[in-house]
Amino acid sequence: EDQVTQSPEALRLQEGESSSLNCSYTVSGLRGLFWYRQDPGKGPEFLFTLYSAGEEKEKERLKATLTKKESFLHITAPKPEDSATYLCAVQDSLSGTASKLTFGTGTRLQVTL
Amino acid sequence: DAGITQSPRHKVTETGTPVTLRCHQTENHRYMYWYRQDPGHGLRLIHYSYGVKDTDKGEVSDGYSVSRSKTEDFLLTLESATSSQTSVYFCAIRGSGTGELFFGEGSRLTVL
Repeated sequence: EDQVTQSPEALRLQEGESSSLNCSYTVSGLRGLFWYRQDPGKGPEFLFTLYSAGEEKEKERLKATLTKKESFLHITAPKPEDSATYLCAVQDSLSGTASKLTFGTGTRLQVTL
Repeated sequence: DAGITQSPRHKVTETGTPVTLRCHQTENHRYMYWYRQDPGHGLRLIHYSYGVKDTDKGEVSDGYSVSRSKTEDFLLTLESATSSQTSVYFCAIRGSGTGELFFGEGSRLTVL
């Protein structure tokens, strides 16, 4: 059974204070690892897909990295508008083309002035 | 914007009543999904569809049924709602890339 564990559950940063969110996963074969951002009362918003260990993706202040057991979402010099819940999900290679994602419970990030 | 509309956005109902949630997409995507989101559980797959009249179960399908009679609409039905089905329900479509899903705004259901 696929498992995704995110840590910490909640993180409070001051503006400009860089940090990392962790996503550790267990799958029989990784087809893809996905990061999403979710604002309160909204649906998850797609950020990145990572496919293989060593891969990195960047978008503004966010950089996602992948190893064989975990992924990190690095937030550099965050701003208050980066406050959200960040979700990690994996797609098992056994799911074929169906894109059945298994999600973690998320990290709730708050960035204060 | 993935062109997904969910309705209703909010619903309060009583135990034992039937409920249908609708997901409408405008971009002719083949794959559509229903997830529920609950505190401490994250998003969990209920059912998904890979084409008109083609559906399959997810990990939490008990108590739910789905139908897809045309490409653009995917319906989730609770035949007899229970309090454990109080949740936020998200519809998603699979993008044209390699596996990422794009979500609607959610439907908040409260079963009293």
